[in-house]
Amino acid sequence: QVQLVESGGGLVKPGGSLRLSCEASGFTFSDYHMAWIRQAPGKGLEWISYISGSGRTIYDADFAKGRFTISRDTAKKTLYLQMNSLRPEDTAFYYCVREVGGAYFNNWFDVWGQGTLVTVSS
Amino acid sequence: DIQMTQSPSSLSASVGDRVTITCRASRDMITYLNWYQQKPGKAPKLLIYEASTLQSGVPSRFSGSGSGTDFTLTISSLQPEDFATYFCQQSHSTPFTFGPGTKVDIK
Repeated sequence: QVQLVESGGGLVKPGGSLRLSCEASGFTFSDYHMAWIRQAPGKGLEWISYISGSGRTIYDADFAKGRFTISRDTAKKTLYLQMNSLRPEDTAFYYCVREVGGAYFNNWFDVWGQGTLVTVSS
Repeated sequence: DIQMTQSPSSLSASVGDRVTITCRASRDMITYLNWYQQKPGKAPKLLIYEASTLQSGVPSRFSGSGSGTDFTLTISSLQPEDFATYFCQQSHSTPFTFGPGTKVDIK
């Protein structure tokens, strides 16, 4: 069945780096745009980054620019989020999501991973 | 950035009740508005997209309406499995923003 499985979360010190992975299965990975969304414990949802199916188009939230990098490997059917210069306020569950609908707008997130927890603390 | 608000922030209701949640956008969204349900410890689940289209597999007691800046999610007859938090999300422009959520719990 259609599934997204994240990995790579954990405890990291402020200023440190982490790379999250999201393995897709049950659908043709390259046909779909993908995104990362995060949720601080007990808080709301925050969109981080978008990458087109081809990988040629990327959009980032302002807080992610210069620190977070989204990428994808079609052969491995895997989405990545490289996170550098991590701050305590980056502590959150990070969700990998599949995006359907329009190319750059009028789209929606129809498949979500289970989430991986990133904790930034000394 | 487009700001999304929801009301109420929480509500208590009984099984069988009709529940209405409102989402307001700071700009005209046309119908680029989606709704998600999240249960504790779980990832969000898509309920409705493009303001009123029910996602496959979602029960018909859920419905969405609205356009422009004001949108509504309605649960026609609340069931035990519907106690959860509901979020709206705009897909008009990046950054795609979410409402703060409405928690529906048992009266």
